[in-house]
Amino acid sequence: EAEVAQSPRYKITEKSQAVAFWCDPISGHATLYWYRQILGQGPELLVQFQDESVVDDSQLPKDRFSAERLKGVDSTLKIQPAELGDSAMYLCASSSAEDLNEKLFFGSGTQLSVL
Amino acid sequence: GENVEQHPSTLSVQEGDSAVIKCTYSDSASNYFPWYKQELGKRPQLIIDIRSNVGEKKDQRIAVTLNKTAKHFSLHITETQPEDSAVYFCAASRGGTSYGKLTFGQGTILTVHP
Repeated sequence: EAEVAQSPRYKITEKSQAVAFWCDPISGHATLYWYRQILGQGPELLVQFQDESVVDDSQLPKDRFSAERLKGVDSTLKIQPAELGDSAMYLCASSSAEDLNEKLFFGSGTQLSVL
Repeated sequence: GENVEQHPSTLSVQEGDSAVIKCTYSDSASNYFPWYKQELGKRPQLIIDIRSNVGEKKDQRIAVTLNKTAKHFSLHITETQPEDSAVYFCAASRGGTSYGKLTFGQGTILTVHP
């Protein structure tokens, strides 16, 4: 079964450093999502892409977070500078808008620890 | 925007008992309601979902019910087993091309005692 790939699996960084996460969606999926999950809470949507375009980034802290999906396939989420409160699991998911009975599956996530 | 409330926050049952988790939502336009199971440090895994044209859906020991009038939906697990222990999240979205734009509940920690 196809999966959403994410890397790295774990990332430890110091406050004020830059950090980047990568996501490769399921082949053919035009819609890609980045979610953030703080320990003990449900995931929260950060950004939604349709192909290479941002559809919704209303919850993305744009002063320090950026996301891109240049060729409409894989995507990168960047934080610069990282803050202690950014420690969380960053989850990527993808979907096919053409199949309205499709399910949303998450990648394994990147666990970020900011020291 | 959508707001999803989930109860209880923790649930402890004996093996073989049933477990019920309830969620309410605020956006009357929501029509897609998935449930995810998450083990510590792992990804959320979809276990069952329901769309608004259906009132109930079952998959073996798991069932979900939806009451659109009252804006609430519930997860029912029967004959619980220790491996059912995990955090369970409900979620809601408007479906269609935005079905992946989910608003999650706060989660329920389910513990099944042998």
